[in-house]
Amino acid sequence: DAKTTQPPSMDCAEGRAANLPCNHSTISGNEYVYWYRQIHSQGPQYIIHGLKNNETNEMASLIITEDRKSSTLILPHATLRDTAVYYCIVSPGTASKLTFGTGTRLQVTL
Amino acid sequence: GAVVSQHPSRVICKSGTSVKIECRSLDFQATTMFWYRQFPKQSLMLMATSNEGSKATYEQGVEKDKFLINHASLTLSTLTVTSAHPEDSSFYICSARGTKLADYEQYFGPGTRLTVT
Repeated sequence: DAKTTQPPSMDCAEGRAANLPCNHSTISGNEYVYWYRQIHSQGPQYIIHGLKNNETNEMASLIITEDRKSSTLILPHATLRDTAVYYCIVSPGTASKLTFGTGTRLQVTL
Repeated sequence: GAVVSQHPSRVICKSGTSVKIECRSLDFQATTMFWYRQFPKQSLMLMATSNEGSKATYEQGVEKDKFLINHASLTLSTLTVTSAHPEDSSFYICSARGTKLADYEQYFGPGTRLTVT
């Protein structure tokens, strides 16, 4: 599986957009980019995923570069409840196992 | 989204005893379940993958005789930690995929915190 690189931590003011970057320079053509988050002492929660095109849902937007070597998760209006560890995962196909990296700890502050 | 539950949420046991953790899919049939372990301030590590009615596939380095996984029905998988030791203390999390869910959908349980004294 392709590896991902994320900054260990980020801060964001409440109400502002949180932009979380992820590098996956060795991603293969059939690998999807997934984003999950884990609030302290809970199970991970699916946020969004994509292959080539940018994606948007009620939680977030996913921007994937044209060469697919990096992506950005955007939380448009961060709230305190968005404080969590965010994991960027690349996985071959849509039904494969997920390998979690170290993630980015996002702290949303007042 | 679909719901996955785990029981118990917390368990404390004595060294040398065995502990069983249940993972249930409440509103869908889980054809595949995954078990993860997470040590404090670390990421989730996949332990094994189980398909209903089949033997589990363990990740490299995970002792299958110590971590017994049973996936006998489409709504229940169990993880039994046999002869638990303090180093087995961890946060155990299951997840599930199902036939009526989209291929990408994988739902996680809330986790079980195991403390071995």
